[in-house]
Amino acid sequence: GNSVTQMEGPVTLSEEAFLTINCTYTATGYPSLFWYVQYPGEGLQLLLKATKADDKGSNKGFEATYRKETTSFHLEKGSVQVSDSAVYFCALRGNSGGSNYKLTFGKGTLLTVNP
Amino acid sequence: GAGVSQSPSNKVTEKGKDVELRCDPISGHTALYWYRQSLGQGLEFLIYFQGNSAPDKSGLPSDRFSAERTGGSVSTLTIQRTQQEDSAVYLCASSSDFAGGTDTQYFGPGTRLTVL
Repeated sequence: GNSVTQMEGPVTLSEEAFLTINCTYTATGYPSLFWYVQYPGEGLQLLLKATKADDKGSNKGFEATYRKETTSFHLEKGSVQVSDSAVYFCALRGNSGGSNYKLTFGKGTLLTVNP
Repeated sequence: GAGVSQSPSNKVTEKGKDVELRCDPISGHTALYWYRQSLGQGLEFLIYFQGNSAPDKSGLPSDRFSAERTGGSVSTLTIQRTQQEDSAVYLCASSSDFAGGTDTQYFGPGTRLTVL
């Protein structure tokens, strides 16, 4: 079955530091890949997505590139802000087996950015 | 437009009681999903609705869990005879489903269920 593995947190950074959160996946076929973010007290929000190999998703200064050869979708940001403090979830949606609507999530990574 | 809404935001119940959780999807979204977020298991898929029918109930953890959707809109997730392991945040999402279930899923704020 499909699975997502992301680096365990918590991750604590100082403002303006570089961020990488690793995410690797196992899936058959060509899944779509997502990063969702959950700010304190709020629901899950889509941060970015990529639907095919070598696509780069980007939003709010965050980027992730769909690497099929390494089955990875690592999240990066060049300069984090205090407001980026949140829990980040990597997820995939398969495109085979008749269940291409179901999201499979990683366990989440808590990011805390200190001023 | 309004996003996905869920009620109640918090629910505390005693073991053995039944609870109902409600989800109002984004207007016009035909697909609706329930997920559960718990400390031990992370985010798990529970059930998927296309219109009023549920083609995939595979994630429901036991027969104490059921869900329905009426009028292609509001959905209710019911947990009977609640157990302490049911304590979690229950998330609802909806999507437009024009692409056969592959459109972006938009999530509600969740209902935090605590079973004492």
